[in-house]
Amino acid sequence: EDQVTQSPEALRLQEGESSSLNCSYTVSGLRGLFWYRQDPGKGPEFLFTLYSAGEEKEKERLKATLTKKESFLHITAPKPEDSATYLCAVRVTTDSWGKFQFGAGTQVVVTP
Amino acid sequence: ETGVTQTPRHLVMGMTNKKSLKCEQHLGHNAMYWYKQSAKKPLELMFVYNFKEQTENNSVPSRFSPECPNSSHLFLHLHTLQPEDSALYLCASSQDHGDDGGYTFGSGTRLTVV
Repeated sequence: EDQVTQSPEALRLQEGESSSLNCSYTVSGLRGLFWYRQDPGKGPEFLFTLYSAGEEKEKERLKATLTKKESFLHITAPKPEDSATYLCAVRVTTDSWGKFQFGAGTQVVVTP
Repeated sequence: ETGVTQTPRHLVMGMTNKKSLKCEQHLGHNAMYWYKQSAKKPLELMFVYNFKEQTENNSVPSRFSPECPNSSHLFLHLHTLQPEDSALYLCASSQDHGDDGGYTFGSGTRLTVV
């Protein structure tokens, strides 16, 4: 059974204190791994798609990496505005139309 | 605004009521989705509409009934809900499978069943 697990569930950081979020997955065949950011009271906002092991993508203070078993979202020198819940999701090669398996998310709080 | 608009933002309904959630996308996407988000749980896919044809129904109870009159509008009709149906209901759209650009989500409807 396809499974996506995110850790930790919650993370509290001081402004400027870099850290990483983990998304481990067990799937029959990976078509893509996706990262989203969700602010309170809003829907998830797309950040990155990663397709193959070794791939990396960056956006401002965020950098996503992918291995054959997990993905990391690195937050470098975070600011309070980076506070959000970060979700990862996978699509498998055999899935039907548009079907993602989401993780439960990591809630990040960055304090000044 | 993300280009996907959901109304209402909040809804409180009794178990015997009938209500509808509305979603509209202005992005020219060709697929739309309904997701359920409960606290501390992963997003659950409920329905997928691709080119106006429902292509996925994830064993959703019949008290939830989707309608997609065109590629820009999506409805979720609700009737005789249960308290455990209280959740955030998210609408999303994508171009094709949404691999490169992901999904664009609306802000959701916070549903409370009393």
